[in-house]
Amino acid sequence: AQKVTQAQTEISVVEKEDVTLDCVYETRDTTYYLFWYKQPPSGELVFLIRRNSFDEQNEISGRYSWNFQKSTSSFNFTITASQVVDSAVYFCALSEGANDMRFGAGTRLTVKP
Amino acid sequence: NAGVTQTPKFQVLKTGQSMTLQCAQDMNHEYMSWYRQDPGMGLRLIHYSVGAGITDQGEVPNGYNVSRSTTEDFPLRLLSAAPSQTSVYFCASRPHLAASSEAFFGQGTRLTVV
Repeated sequence: AQKVTQAQTEISVVEKEDVTLDCVYETRDTTYYLFWYKQPPSGELVFLIRRNSFDEQNEISGRYSWNFQKSTSSFNFTITASQVVDSAVYFCALSEGANDMRFGAGTRLTVKP
Repeated sequence: NAGVTQTPKFQVLKTGQSMTLQCAQDMNHEYMSWYRQDPGMGLRLIHYSVGAGITDQGEVPNGYNVSRSTTEDFPLRLLSAAPSQTSVYFCASRPHLAASSEAFFGQGTRLTVV
């Protein structure tokens, strides 16, 4: 069975600090995809990144970076030099085979000025 | 460029009332689904459809009905609302039910049952 755990319920940082959001997943499949979504205070869900199970290269997009480690079943998300606009709930999700996405409980990030 | 459109955005119901949450997508996506979001629980799948005329239950289907008569529309019906159904509801679509395809979400419907 697929399962996604985001152990950090809430994180609060001061602007310009770096912050890492943890995501641990469980799956029996060898082929699967991991996703991160952002939900800002306005409520919509914004797709950030997709990673397949065969690509363990880290990804960097501006201030955002993702670290995928199959050995620890983790797909962590780091925001460098955080900004107030990064304040949101962030969801990690797992998709395998023909099953639908399974989401973690989310991590609420607050960036204070 | 509408994407996934949900209506209404807000709704208050009395216990026992019925209503339909509307969802429409204009991307010709085969796969559509409904999630509910509750504090500390992430998004949980209610019902989904892999194409017109085909629907199936997700993780938390009780109290909800769906139908898919067209590719574009996937309404969610609450037959007799209960306070436990107070939640934020999201409709999503994907090009196909393959693990690689990302989900596109509507803006959400905040439902309160009193």
